[in-house]
Amino acid sequence: DAGITQSPRHKVTETGTPVTLRCHQTENHRYMYWYRQDPGHGLRLIHYSYGVKDTDKGEVSDGYSVSRSKTEDFLLTLESATSSQTSVYFCAIRATSHEQYFGPGTRLTVT
Amino acid sequence: AQSVTQPDIHITVSEGASLELRCNYSYGATPYLFWYVQSPGQGLQLLLKYFSGDTLVQGIKGFEAEFKRSQSSFNLRKPSVHWSDAAEYFCAAPMNRDDKIIFGKGTRLHILP
Repeated sequence: DAGITQSPRHKVTETGTPVTLRCHQTENHRYMYWYRQDPGHGLRLIHYSYGVKDTDKGEVSDGYSVSRSKTEDFLLTLESATSSQTSVYFCAIRATSHEQYFGPGTRLTVT
Repeated sequence: AQSVTQPDIHITVSEGASLELRCNYSYGATPYLFWYVQSPGQGLQLLLKYFSGDTLVQGIKGFEAEFKRSQSSFNLRKPSVHWSDAAEYFCAAPMNRDDKIIFGKGTRLHILP
């Protein structure tokens, strides 16, 4: 158990509204990641962080922003949600030997 | 470009039968390699990992995987599957050993009673 929690676990929101998903870790890992998972696409990296206030884009970053003001929390924000952002979102941390450990996921529906 | 390929989208085996899930990678140096499992509605769980040394690695739940450099493969095996092994399996490798991981598209395993 890598001590990763995500909140909320489920959310339904309307198109055009802002949404923030939270990832919290208890083990002081430097690297944290946000992925989305969609049928037929597998896991796709949205953004990741390599330290407090240090973030970088992944392959599907358009429409998403992130913030990391402290080691344990990594926030993913959809500034104006669209139906194409309906997905399951996973947070992950990277252990010292490069493997990643995942949170339980957040199922987001944008109507 | 680096890639991780899982050629089989779906695999069906009978309970008690042996299993092999294929994974091929393209990478210049000796890669780190991982297998993950995802049960329905759950997050991904690390099954096993290869870094170096012995090319046959043991993981949790009775799984093993063998790294074959000549074939650029890291296939996952289990001698006898159980109904609870029905899940989706992902092979993964870091990009140039940097900050990010490439995941294969996944193989969904179905178990026949």
